[in-house]
Amino acid sequence: SQQGEEDPQALSIQEGENATMNCSYKTSINNLQWYRQNSGRGLVHLILIRSNEREKHSGRLRVTLDTSKKSSSLLITASRAADTASYFCATDASFGRGSTLGRLYFGRGTQLTVWP
Amino acid sequence: EAQVTQNPRYLITVTGKKLTVTCSQNMNHEYMSWYRQDPGLGLRQIYYSMNVEVTDKGDVPEGYKVSRKEKRNFPLILESPSPNQTSLYFCASRYSGEGQPQHFGDGTRLSIL
Repeated sequence: SQQGEEDPQALSIQEGENATMNCSYKTSINNLQWYRQNSGRGLVHLILIRSNEREKHSGRLRVTLDTSKKSSSLLITASRAADTASYFCATDASFGRGSTLGRLYFGRGTQLTVWP
Repeated sequence: EAQVTQNPRYLITVTGKKLTVTCSQNMNHEYMSWYRQDPGLGLRQIYYSMNVEVTDKGDVPEGYKVSRKEKRNFPLILESPSPNQTSLYFCASRYSGEGQPQHFGDGTRLSIL
């Protein structure tokens, strides 16, 4: 399966703490994306990192990518109760000929709970 | 406002009764896709469309049909729904090309009795 796998499955922290979620995948990729899903809602795109990038920042989000280990991490700094959601990584996989027609492969997600 | 709109949001129906879930986007996106989300299985792609009149199977296409007659609409059709199609369904769209983020609808929760 090309599906990414997030770790941990669930994470519970206090407001103000940092939250780190990891994603591992199996095939070579063009890019890796992180999405957030609030309960009962659709997914919202957070950040994209390309295969030739190692780190990217967006506000309180920091994403790293290690293509040699086929893994990525999402760090949310100074978390807030409003960050409570499920977080998914999605890989835009490459089979050596570029993007496989733009398909994204999603993991099962990390459920993050931030307590006030 | 840029959005992907799905209807209905909730539906309870019975086995064998044909149903259609509509999806419409107002961003002029070429690429549209349907996913289903089940506990413990994450999101799995059902069908996708690269552009008008171009559709292709995803990972779990059995029991579903789609059509793309217009750029903005991508309906999902269940000709003869069965209980194993009870799930949360999402439509998504994006511009074509590598590295474009997907925009998701708010989901349709289907219960097939």
